[in-house]
Amino acid sequence: ETGVTQTPRHLVMGMTNKKSLKCEQHLGHNAMYWYKQSAKKPLELMFVYNFKEQTENNSVPSRFSPECPNSSHLFLHLHTLQPEDSALYLCASSQGAGTTLETQYFGPGTRLLVL
Amino acid sequence: GQNIDQPTEMTATEGAIVQINCTYQTSGFNGLFWYQQHAGEAPTFLSYNVLDGLEEKGRFSSFLSRSKGYSYLLLKELQMKDSASYLCAVRDRGNNRLAFGKGNQVVVIP
Repeated sequence: ETGVTQTPRHLVMGMTNKKSLKCEQHLGHNAMYWYKQSAKKPLELMFVYNFKEQTENNSVPSRFSPECPNSSHLFLHLHTLQPEDSALYLCASSQGAGTTLETQYFGPGTRLLVL
Repeated sequence: GQNIDQPTEMTATEGAIVQINCTYQTSGFNGLFWYQQHAGEAPTFLSYNVLDGLEEKGRFSSFLSRSKGYSYLLLKELQMKDSASYLCAVRDRGNNRLAFGKGNQVVVIP
């Protein structure tokens, strides 16, 4: 149990659908992250939030829209996705996003399949 | 930018020792992390090195040489549950972001 939960764990959606991924951390952290993990590729950082403010958007297409209503919750809204967006989407949290002593703790991920 | 290289897969016998290597190139080094990820599960934090040398934590040890851009994770007394992907991640000094390698899949056989 890492203290970071994600729902749903699995999601199948069509290219015209709209869906949202949810992440919640119970660790009292101030920073939250979205990563994409595709087969045979390294984890790719998508977004960073620090104290609810987005501090990084790593050139992510606009069909991915993050939302961070508070330091414990992070959403990723999805619309008009492409089949190549199929991947494992991982959420992580850390004490801070700009400190040298942070360690990131990951949720179990949402396995997304776009048809 | 950062470039992190890890071998893709290795097989080892239960009870043995396995060493997983990670080489990196970065414009500004600020620490190296090792994570373990079982299939379909969250990556879990194993170790952190920022100074040269060996860090030991039970059956797992991690070594860093900053001058060589090299780290390894040593797994001793292998158990079946150690079958997983092991991810190396380097933190950039400029923005404190982690750059991950592709991971090394370790398969433990009886």
